[in-house]
Amino acid sequence: GAVVSQHPSRVICKSGTSVKIECRSLDFQATTMFWYRQFPKQSLMLMATSNEGSKATYEQGVEKDKFLINHASLTLSTLTVTSAHPEDSSFYICSAGGGTGKNEQYFGPGTRLTVT
Amino acid sequence: KQEVTQIPAALSVPEGENLVLNCSFTDSAIYNLQWFRQDPGKGLTSLLLIQSSQREQTSGRLNASLDKSSGRSTLYIAASQPGDSATYLCAVNTDKLIFGTGTRLQVFP
Repeated sequence: GAVVSQHPSRVICKSGTSVKIECRSLDFQATTMFWYRQFPKQSLMLMATSNEGSKATYEQGVEKDKFLINHASLTLSTLTVTSAHPEDSSFYICSAGGGTGKNEQYFGPGTRLTVT
Repeated sequence: KQEVTQIPAALSVPEGENLVLNCSFTDSAIYNLQWFRQDPGKGLTSLLLIQSSQREQTSGRLNASLDKSSGRSTLYIAASQPGDSATYLCAVNTDKLIFGTGTRLQVFP
């Protein structure tokens, strides 16, 4: 299957700072990327859909000014958690797929964010 | 609103048993359904993808079935092994993936 990478795999930051997470599709072009967050022992919750060259579509309840998403190229999407707080500590996972969202999604390995 | 439920939430079995994990969804208008495995603290590993027009998919000891009209899918694991211990997630695709609540499986020797 296709390969999706995320960087960093783990990050610890202080409250009030911003953190950027990268998601890359390594061997295919992804017109659509998705960002999820997962709290301990819970399932994945979709945060937003990232479309190359256009604004991201956020799910209800997700603050777009806090979770900035940029999808500047067909192989890279970034999620920036701005002014992070301890409650933002979570496991963030991206996925990528070619074409529309109905195609198979390939998942990155995830990023563990801890805000102190 | 699409809701995806998995039963049981947790399962502990001895090695060698055949298992059935269940996934149900409320809206049958889906493109496909995927089963994933997640090890603690790790990302997702895709196990099987069933398109809406298909009834089942098989990979090794895994078999997944899909009954779209009744909103159900099952993941059958044959001859379970300790290495199968993980959380299993199903997800339905409606242009975005909606994940189930997961089944935490433990297979003991």
